[in-house]
Amino acid sequence: GENVEQHPSTLSVQEGDSAVIKCTYSDSASNYFPWYKQELGKGPQLIIDIRSNVGEKKDQRIAVTLNKTAKHFSLHITETQPEDSAVYFCAVTPGNDMRFGAGTRLTVKP
Amino acid sequence: NAGVTQTPKFRILKIGQSMTLQCTQDMNHNYMYWYRQDPGMGLKLIYYSVGAGITDKGEVPNGYNVSRSTTEDFPLRLELAAPSQTSVYFCASSYSTGAGYTFGSGTRLTVV
Repeated sequence: GENVEQHPSTLSVQEGDSAVIKCTYSDSASNYFPWYKQELGKGPQLIIDIRSNVGEKKDQRIAVTLNKTAKHFSLHITETQPEDSAVYFCAVTPGNDMRFGAGTRLTVKP
Repeated sequence: NAGVTQTPKFRILKIGQSMTLQCTQDMNHNYMYWYRQDPGMGLKLIYYSVGAGITDKGEVPNGYNVSRSTTEDFPLRLELAAPSQTSVYFCASSYSTGAGYTFGSGTRLTVV
């Protein structure tokens, strides 16, 4: 089955710094790459996604980059704020379902 | 806009008991999914459905059953609960395979 590796597992940054989370995948058939944010006690929420025909996508302080040749994609958060603290999951869609990375716990220190 | 609604939010089961986790969505999505999330881990797919009357196994289907008689509802059935099924269960839906999922708020299940 599809193997999705996500790094790092934990990330601590100072408020205002940038944070980068990277995922690698194995199935070249995947063509949709979303990122989810999960706050404590809640379900994951889609924050940004990218399709295989695009290399980069931005939404305010959040961006995602995709290197389909190397089979990796990254989440970039700039000017981090304490409310960005959460667990972030990458995902890929090798078929009719979605497979998730193990998650990155981001802590933004005020 | 309710989105995806899961009930109950919490449940404690004794070993060997059975229960059904309810999931309903009001977005007319064809695709629905059940995931489990163990502490500090990612989400593992249990079962999914691409439309009413169609269900398929995911990565970890053993010990579970599902049905999809309507577009809106996708219940997950646990038969003979075991401690290994202690987890948080999330239901999700989407309008297509290449689209983001809308998740419910989860059901925290403890089997003792």
